[in-house]
Amino acid sequence: GENVEQHPSTLSVQEGDSAVIKCTYSDSASNYFPWYKQELGKGPQLIIDIRSNVGEKKDQRIAVTLNKTAKHFSLHITETQPEDSAVYFCAASTGYGGSQGNLIFGKGTKLSVKP
Amino acid sequence: DAGVIQSPRHEVTEMGQEVTLRCKPISGHDYLFWYRQTMMRGLELLIYFNNNVPIDDSGMPEDRFSAKMPNASFSTLKIQPSEPRDSAVYFCASSVAGKYNEQFFGPGTRLTVL
Repeated sequence: GENVEQHPSTLSVQEGDSAVIKCTYSDSASNYFPWYKQELGKGPQLIIDIRSNVGEKKDQRIAVTLNKTAKHFSLHITETQPEDSAVYFCAASTGYGGSQGNLIFGKGTKLSVKP
Repeated sequence: DAGVIQSPRHEVTEMGQEVTLRCKPISGHDYLFWYRQTMMRGLELLIYFNNNVPIDDSGMPEDRFSAKMPNASFSTLKIQPSEPRDSAVYFCASSVAGKYNEQFFGPGTRLTVL
């Protein structure tokens, strides 16, 4: 089955710096790659996702890149702010739309942004 | 919309007791998922439903765990009897057909089994 590895497990940056979180997956059939942000005491919240037919996607200060050949994808946060501090999870799935394919999550990255 | 609602938010119980966790998905969503989160194993899918029917329960750890969805607006996850290793945060999530994997998570139930 699918296996998702996520690095680093913890990341500390200064406010204003960029943060990069990387994930690799094992199943070449995976075609959907979401990123979730989990704040303390809350459930994970979808922040951005990318489909396998797209190499990069941006939404304001966050961007995700996908390299299908290498089977890895990354989350980039620019101009980090203290409110970006949270645990970030990547996930992969072989299904999208109406098809079935469970989300397989990475173990998470605890991001701390120091003011 | 109020989002996915879970209750209780915290549950402390003693080993051997029955525990029931509850979930109300977002109105109009036809997929419902139950996850368990621990430090060691991360986020694990336990079971999911489509139109109130269980589709995949391969993640349910053992027979002590059971889940039901009697209608489109309510689901339960029951553990009987509970054990200390069941201590975790349990999340419910829902999604809509056509966007199966864009899941919306509830706030979770933190379960502690003493």
